[in-house]
Amino acid sequence: NAGVTQTPKFRVLKTGQSMTLLCAQDMNHEYMYWYRQDPGMGLRLIHYSVGEGTTAKGEVPDGYNVSRLKKQNFLLGLESAAPSQTSVYFCASSYPGEAFFGQGTRLTVV
Amino acid sequence: TQLLEQSPQFLSIQEGENLTVYCNSSSVFSSLQWYRQEPGEGPVLLVTVVTGGEVKKLKRLTFQFGDARKDSSLHITAAQPGDTGLYLCAGPPYGGSQGNLIFGKGTKLSVKP
Repeated sequence: NAGVTQTPKFRVLKTGQSMTLLCAQDMNHEYMYWYRQDPGMGLRLIHYSVGEGTTAKGEVPDGYNVSRLKKQNFLLGLESAAPSQTSVYFCASSYPGEAFFGQGTRLTVV
Repeated sequence: TQLLEQSPQFLSIQEGENLTVYCNSSSVFSSLQWYRQEPGEGPVLLVTVVTGGEVKKLKRLTFQFGDARKDSSLHITAAQPGDTGLYLCAGPPYGGSQGNLIFGKGTKLSVKP
């Protein structure tokens, strides 16, 4: 039982490059989330989705886009990466209720 | 502005000591969840409190939800090195989407043998 799987686990980008982070869950959860975690800042919600085809902005949505075309997948896109987007990114899913997290993606933008 | 304020930010204690960490807000929450996160891992849920005044116990951990559902506390009795980690509270603000799951900055606990 995989739970929540994030790919890739590590990535280094140059400023201005684009990339997509993929999150997949096999628990048939309705809700999915993308967070970023920076030292001393806890987890900050970027975007979330309450169902297939729906997305909503969280606390820090600027510079990111998301899509939820399939219930099991939630994609986070960076169109033009900036050094301020260097962070650890976590995806999570829930029924709602308990949120289950992936292992995280460590992204460095140079 | 942080909707959920956690204190203290850091806590270093000796094995066997008791401790309490706090999660406070000026807003009402539908429910509050407590997670523990270890280095290199995602957070893992410890408990969810839903009703104002609710107290839940999980072995040596006691969780309380304030009567007004604006604050919560986590008390650990006789802390052990295995309790070391980052403790996070989270919840959806009352009246908003259940998907708007907001986290506090966390309390980093270190329990020394």
